[in-house]
Amino acid sequence: GENVEQHPSTLSVQEGDSAVIKCTYSDSASNYFPWYKQELGKGPQLIIDIRSNVGEKKDQRIAVTLNKTAKHFSLHITETQPEDSAVYFCAARPSGGGADGLTFGKGTHLIIQP
Amino acid sequence: NAGVTQTPKFQVLKTGQSMTLQCAQDMNHEYMSWYRQDPGMGLRLIHYSVGAGITDQGEVPNGYNVSRSTTEDFPLRLLSAAPSQTSVYFCASSYSVRLSYNSPLHFGNGTRLTVT
Repeated sequence: GENVEQHPSTLSVQEGDSAVIKCTYSDSASNYFPWYKQELGKGPQLIIDIRSNVGEKKDQRIAVTLNKTAKHFSLHITETQPEDSAVYFCAARPSGGGADGLTFGKGTHLIIQP
Repeated sequence: NAGVTQTPKFQVLKTGQSMTLQCAQDMNHEYMSWYRQDPGMGLRLIHYSVGAGITDQGEVPNGYNVSRSTTEDFPLRLLSAAPSQTSVYFCASSYSVRLSYNSPLHFGNGTRLTVT
């Protein structure tokens, strides 16, 4: 089955700086890669996703890049703000079916220092 | 539009007790699932359903039962709670069983369960 590794587990950056979270996946047939943000006491919320036929996608201050050859995808947050503090999860969906859901990374706790 | 609603928000059980975690969605979603979240383990799939009357096991199904009698509801049952089931449980749903950019997974706000 699919295996998703996420790094780092904790990331502390100064407000206004950029943050990068990286994930690798094992199943070369995976074709959908969402990123979720989880604030304290709440459920994960989708913030951006990318399909396997797209190399990069941007939405205001966040962007995701995908390198299919290396089986690697990353979340980039620019001009970080205090409200970006949260736990971020990457995920991959194998192409085989999808009914058995997403395989998630273990999460990155992003801390924005004022 | 309420989305995915989970009840209760918090629950404490003694070992051996049983309970049902409720999940309801009002988006007419075909696919529903249950995940558990443990520190350092990420989110792991317990059970899922691709439609009313159809359920299947995920990665960590032992100790849990589910049923899907209606499109809207997908309860998770713990028949005999164990301390290893202490976790945060999330219900999630999607329009289609083929999760994708146009059918993403939507999560509820979770139930925090402690088994003593």
